[in-house]
Amino acid sequence: DAGVIQSPRHEVTEMGQEVTLRCKPISGHNSLFWYRQTMMRGLELLIYFNNNVPIDDSGMPEDRFSAKMPNASFSTLKIQPSEPRDSAVYFCASRDPGQRTLEAFFGQGTRLTVV
Amino acid sequence: AQSVTQLGSHVSVSEGALVLLRCNYSSSVPPYLFWYVQYPNQGLQLLLKYTSAATLVKGINGFEAEFKKSETSFHLTKPSAHMSDAAEYFCAVSVTYKYIFGTGTRLKVLA
Repeated sequence: DAGVIQSPRHEVTEMGQEVTLRCKPISGHNSLFWYRQTMMRGLELLIYFNNNVPIDDSGMPEDRFSAKMPNASFSTLKIQPSEPRDSAVYFCASRDPGQRTLEAFFGQGTRLTVV
Repeated sequence: AQSVTQLGSHVSVSEGALVLLRCNYSSSVPPYLFWYVQYPNQGLQLLLKYTSAATLVKGINGFEAEFKKSETSFHLTKPSAHMSDAAEYFCAVSVTYKYIFGTGTRLKVLA
């Protein structure tokens, strides 16, 4: 398996623009997480999906952020409009459904820079 | 509520020396604990995990960790550091579906 695949790896955008980050989880993994990593706040859970349904979105910073999982093999995280403080590395991770003893598998991340 | 505390945001060791990275957790229920490693510009990779079986857990690259309930600790060790071990290490606790990560410890290995 190719692992969790994220695209793009790097994104540079201007303030106010819409940004869409993409994630393909490992096949068969129906739990999906979006994390944000910054120097100041470390790794923060943004949203958790199980069986394509958002279970916990309490970490989504504000209404400018939205996430979808239209099917078991694809998820998006959208920021509209983007702001410089959104600059961070965004990670997607997936896990076997219902098996909390197992680890989450992380993608390589998308480094977002908003100028 | 669950939480993880990693003592020391930066640790430096000489090549060949013992590596000790500290992690303490707080959990109201028996936790599942993980250590992840992150190399520059990479995602997180699992080193090892504790899932209530053996308290001494062996992982990849010669790392191991011991779960000590009385001390609420899950420290990561490696007998002999290698230059390739230089990376950032994260301790995490999992209860229900969430993973709560510590703030990370950046390991530097000196030649």
